Amino acid sequence: EIVLTQSPATLSLSPGEGATLSCRASQSISRYLAWYQQKPGQAPRLLIYDASNRATGIPARFSGSGSGSDFILTISSLEPEDSAVYYCQQHSNWPPSMYTFGQGTKLEIK
Amino acid sequence: EVQLVEFGGGLVKPGESLRLSCAASGFTFSNVWMNWVRQAPGKGLEWVGRVKTKDVGGIIDYGAPVEGRFTISRDDSKSTIYLQMNNLRPEDTAMYYCATDFSTRYMGSWGQGTLVTVSS
Repeated sequence: EIVLTQSPATLSLSPGEGATLSCRASQSISRYLAWYQQKPGQAPRLLIYDASNRATGIPARFSGSGSGSDFILTISSLEPEDSAVYYCQQHSNWPPSMYTFGQGTKLEIK
Repeated sequence: EVQLVEFGGGLVKPGESLRLSCAASGFTFSNVWMNWVRQAPGKGLEWVGRVKTKDVGGIIDYGAPVEGRFTISRDDSKSTIYLQMNNLRPEDTAMYYCATDFSTRYMGSWGQGTLVTVSS
């Protein structure tokens, strides 16, 4: 089973600053990684797929990079509404087929 | 607009059963793989299982914590998927979300979830 480890656990930044969130896979997953945003009391929302492709309607402030086992979600020019927990996720087809999530990074906007 | 509405959650005792439903609209349901994902209170996301479309055999896969106790099914005529949960345990307490599969690897659209509480 592939394990995803996210860091840091919590990040506290001010509006206008940039955020860098990390996700490390226990083995290479090529570019098959997604990022989700979950605000309090809401369902998660797909932000980034295939490591660097923004989902429909996602602002350009959100960008993803990485391949192999190390991935980054970058949020430039933070806004108060970016306060949320961010999860990375991967899917492996190796039997059994399964999806795994990282434990999440909580981003607080001061 | 894609809409997913889950219902059927509630309070049950350990060992009891519950069936959740997820009604979909706004897309061609029969063409889309569907997932169940859960989130225990204050915890992270955990994949429960996925059902593929009938054109690829309707294959169903489950996460290890629920395999053998939970059953996913779909009714394309009703644009609905189901999650039959048997022998429920306190650790199954969670918000249960249904989500469309995206690009066969990710979750695209999500419902708002239905809360299941397992407690004596």
